[in-house]
Amino acid sequence: GQQVMQIPQYQHVQEGEDFTTYCNSSTTLSNIQWYKQRPGGHPVFLIQLVKSGEVKKQKRLTFQFGEAKKNSSLHITATQTTDVGTYFCAGPYAGNMLTFGGGTRLMVKP
Amino acid sequence: DAGVIQSPRHEVTEMGQEVTLRCKPISGHDYLFWYRQTMMRGLELLIYFNNNVPIDDSGMPEDRFSAKMPNASFSTLKIQPSEPRDSAVYFCASRGTGVNSPLHFGNGTRLTVT
Repeated sequence: GQQVMQIPQYQHVQEGEDFTTYCNSSTTLSNIQWYKQRPGGHPVFLIQLVKSGEVKKQKRLTFQFGEAKKNSSLHITATQTTDVGTYFCAGPYAGNMLTFGGGTRLMVKP
Repeated sequence: DAGVIQSPRHEVTEMGQEVTLRCKPISGHDYLFWYRQTMMRGLELLIYFNNNVPIDDSGMPEDRFSAKMPNASFSTLKIQPSEPRDSAVYFCASRGTGVNSPLHFGNGTRLTVT
């Protein structure tokens, strides 16, 4: 079945440093979604990418979808303590089932 | 919009007992998903429904697990009998029609089986 891999699993950064998480799928994706889960919380939808090579920005967050639509990245510029949490990518499988990557847990030292 | 509502928030039970988790999806959403989250296995899809009908339950671990959706506003996930390895956070999520629609998650039920 489809697998979605994310690296790194964990990332410690100093506040103000940049952060990037990478997502790779074993199959071509029709779209990719990104979610954020705060400690003790539930996953919350951030964004969806659909087009090959697409780049979207949300303030300090930049999301990219690869040309082959098999990989994606999330880059945070100048991290803040409010960015703490686990970031998941997710791709559709068999039409309606969303398969989540293992997530990247971001920790920010003030 | 109240969002996806799950109950209970926490459940502690002894091995062998029956556990029932409940979910109310967002009104108008016709897809409902049950996920389980553990440190070891991450977020796993257990089962999903479309218009109250179970479509894919291939993620359900074993026969001890069952899920129902008797109507558009209510779903249950039952574990009988429960085992310590079932301890996890169980999330319910719903979405509207359209394969690109995002998932809306409930706050989850943290299950501990002793």
